[in-house]
Amino acid sequence: DSGVTQTPKHLITATGQRVTLRCSPRSGDLSVYWYQQSLDQGLQFLIQYYNGEERAKGNILERFSAQQFPDLHSELNLSSLELGDSALYFCASSVEGAENTEAFFGQGTRLTVV
Amino acid sequence: GQQVMQIPQYQHVQEGEDFTTYCNSSTTLSNIQWYKQRPGGHPVFLIQLVKSGEVKKQKRLTFQFGEAKKNSSLHITATQTTDVGTYFCAGPKGNTPLVFGKGTRLSVIA
Repeated sequence: DSGVTQTPKHLITATGQRVTLRCSPRSGDLSVYWYQQSLDQGLQFLIQYYNGEERAKGNILERFSAQQFPDLHSELNLSSLELGDSALYFCASSVEGAENTEAFFGQGTRLTVV
Repeated sequence: GQQVMQIPQYQHVQEGEDFTTYCNSSTTLSNIQWYKQRPGGHPVFLIQLVKSGEVKKQKRLTFQFGEAKKNSSLHITATQTTDVGTYFCAGPKGNTPLVFGKGTRLSVIA
């Protein structure tokens, strides 16, 4: 158990809909990262938050947004969903920026868009 | 897109054979991390290398960081079925804290 909790584990929704994925980082970790993993693809970095503020942005679509709340949990919002958004979405956390410390990954949320 | 290249993409070995995966970056990395993802699981941190030419060992796993800090390798001696999974290297790139390679998927045939 990494200590990072993601909910829900599975999500099936229709095209055009909006979903929210939730992540609770390890106790004490200030950084939260979101990654997308598609079939046979590596881990694509989406966005990082540090202590409530956006720190780094990757290839995140405009239809996607995220935030980190004062209690440090984070949510990833995906809207106007398309079939191609079907993927495994991982949240990871670390004490500081992951360039200096290891990142702990949650179990992921498997999103299926039908 | 990916800026950390990893090869091979797939590797099938007989149990007991050795396995190596390579990671290459076009630019110098301040450090490199390795992760393992079991089938159906999530990435799990294995190790971080920071120094030029650094070599670290974890039982049957040997990790190396190149002298120029642009490449790295993971070598597994005498693979076991428990080694099955995808091995990723990852490093900081620009303002992105961790850019992952596409990984090497290891299959071990008993």
